[in-house]
Amino acid sequence: EPEVTQTPSHQVTQMGQEVILRCVPISNHLYFYWYRQILGQKVEFLVSFYNNEISEKSEIFDDQFSVERPDGSNFTLKIRSTKLEDSAMYFCASTPFQDQPQHFGDGTRLSIL
Amino acid sequence: KNEVEQSPQNLTAQEGEFITINCSYSVGISALHWLQQHPGGGIVSLFMLSSGKKKHGRLIATINIQEKHSSLHITASHPRDSAVYICAAPYSGAGSYQLTFGKGTKLSVIP
Repeated sequence: EPEVTQTPSHQVTQMGQEVILRCVPISNHLYFYWYRQILGQKVEFLVSFYNNEISEKSEIFDDQFSVERPDGSNFTLKIRSTKLEDSAMYFCASTPFQDQPQHFGDGTRLSIL
Repeated sequence: KNEVEQSPQNLTAQEGEFITINCSYSVGISALHWLQQHPGGGIVSLFMLSSGKKKHGRLIATINIQEKHSSLHITASHPRDSAVYICAAPYSGAGSYQLTFGKGTKLSVIP
């Protein structure tokens, strides 16, 4: 069965550095999402993306964050200048249509030192 | 903004027991999601339902749109069912697909 794949599985970065988290959604899916989960807390929505533009974003998704679909397969989340509080598990998800269940990747654990 | 509440937060059951996890939300929605988060952190979508009941193996999800309430049932529970079960609803109600998540119910099934 097709899967959403995320790389790397664990990223350790110094505070203030830029980080790019990568996702390869399922190939025929059109809607893409990023979520994060701070350790011990609930999953939070960051952003949704369709037709090469952001369709919805949360209050968390400020100017430090950006998303891109640089080619036909990758979907990336960039954090420009990381802060300690950006340490979390980041999940990518995709779906063929907005009203269908979302398929999640296994997540990238981001640790900011 | 939708508020999603789950109960209980933690649940320990003996193998074979029937389990119920409850979810309530504050704003009318088009569909509710039930997700399973494995001990390693990965998330799997279990159900997306907008009315009535859905069944998949030993898992059953029900929703009452009028009461803004959903339940996830597990029949004949097994230790491999041990996971965190999360419900999620559209953030702004019907027409929004941005999800807001409950805190999850941590289920432990003891042999």
